[in-house]
Amino acid sequence: EVQLVESGGGLVQPGGSLRLSCTASGFIFSIYSMNWVRQAPGKGLEWVSYIRSSPSTISYADSVKGRFTISRDDAKTSLYLQMNSLRAEDTAVYYCARDYAYNFDMWGRGTMVTVSS
Amino acid sequence: QTVVTQEPSFSVSPGGTVTLTCGLSSGSVSTRYYPSWYQQTPGQAPRTLIYSTNTRSSGVPDRFSGSILGNKAALTITGAQTDDDSDYYCVLYMGGGNWVFGGGTKLTVL
Repeated sequence: EVQLVESGGGLVQPGGSLRLSCTASGFIFSIYSMNWVRQAPGKGLEWVSYIRSSPSTISYADSVKGRFTISRDDAKTSLYLQMNSLRAEDTAVYYCARDYAYNFDMWGRGTMVTVSS
Repeated sequence: QTVVTQEPSFSVSPGGTVTLTCGLSSGSVSTRYYPSWYQQTPGQAPRTLIYSTNTRSSGVPDRFSGSILGNKAALTITGAQTDDDSDYYCVLYMGGGNWVFGGGTKLTVL
């Protein structure tokens, strides 16, 4: 089955860290660029970060630049998001999304991150 | 800072036609932004409807169509159904691996 499955969400205190994972299956992961997109409770979608297939090109939204790091392991068909210095405003459902023709053509079901003391 | 604009809400009667738009705070939306559209119902992940301005994603009914209207991208639903009652998001590709989503439109079909 072609799918993306996120994991690693949870409750973390402000200033803390969390690492999200997204495991892909059913397609050739290494040839696709990937993204993280988030959605705060009751709010709209926000693009967070992008990583291209080899050679890697990486970009971040201004709201997370310097705090979040995207990476991938093609051998494990996995995408990661290391989140440091977390803030309350980072509370959201985090989706990984596959990029095809400048479009997010496949989405995972998301993992919830809550930043609160 | 780039802001992508969408109508906050819209209402359409079953069987009716509605056009949602996606604009830029400064400048015009063109095909070079590869506008795409997503439908999202509560508690679900988004679903791709239209990409690259007007290409319908696999399995999407042909009552959904995309275009450029004036200086905005547009999503038109022809013959709206109650199942179309959802949130709709557009996103524009800004280059260099950067995207900006619009704030979303809550479409009510009644």
